[in-house]
Amino acid sequence: KNEVEQSPQNLTAQEGEFITINCSYSVGISALHWLQQHPGGGIVSLFMLSSGKKKHGRLIATINIQEKHSSLHITASHPRDSAVYICAVSPGNQFYFGTGTSLTVIP
Amino acid sequence: GAVVSQHPSRVICKSGTSVKIECRSLDFQATTMFWYRQFPKQSLMLMATSNEGSKATYEQGVEKDKFLINHASLTLSTLTVTSAHPEDSSFYICSARVRAGVPYNEQFFGPGTRLTVL
Repeated sequence: KNEVEQSPQNLTAQEGEFITINCSYSVGISALHWLQQHPGGGIVSLFMLSSGKKKHGRLIATINIQEKHSSLHITASHPRDSAVYICAVSPGNQFYFGTGTSLTVIP
Repeated sequence: GAVVSQHPSRVICKSGTSVKIECRSLDFQATTMFWYRQFPKQSLMLMATSNEGSKATYEQGVEKDKFLINHASLTLSTLTVTSAHPEDSSFYICSARVRAGVPYNEQFFGPGTRLTVL
């Protein structure tokens, strides 16, 4: 069993749609991270959060520590949002990664 | 924000040769760097944790004699794939931890190196 589970695995949306990606984890954590990986492979850290909610532009990340669950929302999605979104948790020194959600936004 | 670079971005080599990949933190000092590999359609797998000035800690199943890691300075860690074979072909990503001894762990990722062994 993976420490981090993401859903859905794949997601196709029309431009402008509101998108939600979910992440559940089974370990105690000090922080949860949302990462974005573009087709070229490079990874960008979107959010690091340990409680509540964070917003950056059209991206919103929430976490419920009691339920061990986090969501990443994208409002007014755009084709340039197409990427793999990875949830990762850090109980301590290392990360546990989800398998990622592949998002395709169609114009 | 903190920037991590990797060099080269892609490398193609013949089977049996050794390949060195560099990971640099450009605008901060990284006491700890992490090396990951990623196979197509799969998530990142931690290979080893590299601490400046000490030996790397390898994850179970990762051959330390095959994947040599050197963290010679606070801004540079290198991964050398020795006697590379086609099964070593993968995407290798490093990350650097910005601070230690604080409640949160924040890591910044390099752009990755795609290794193809013929």
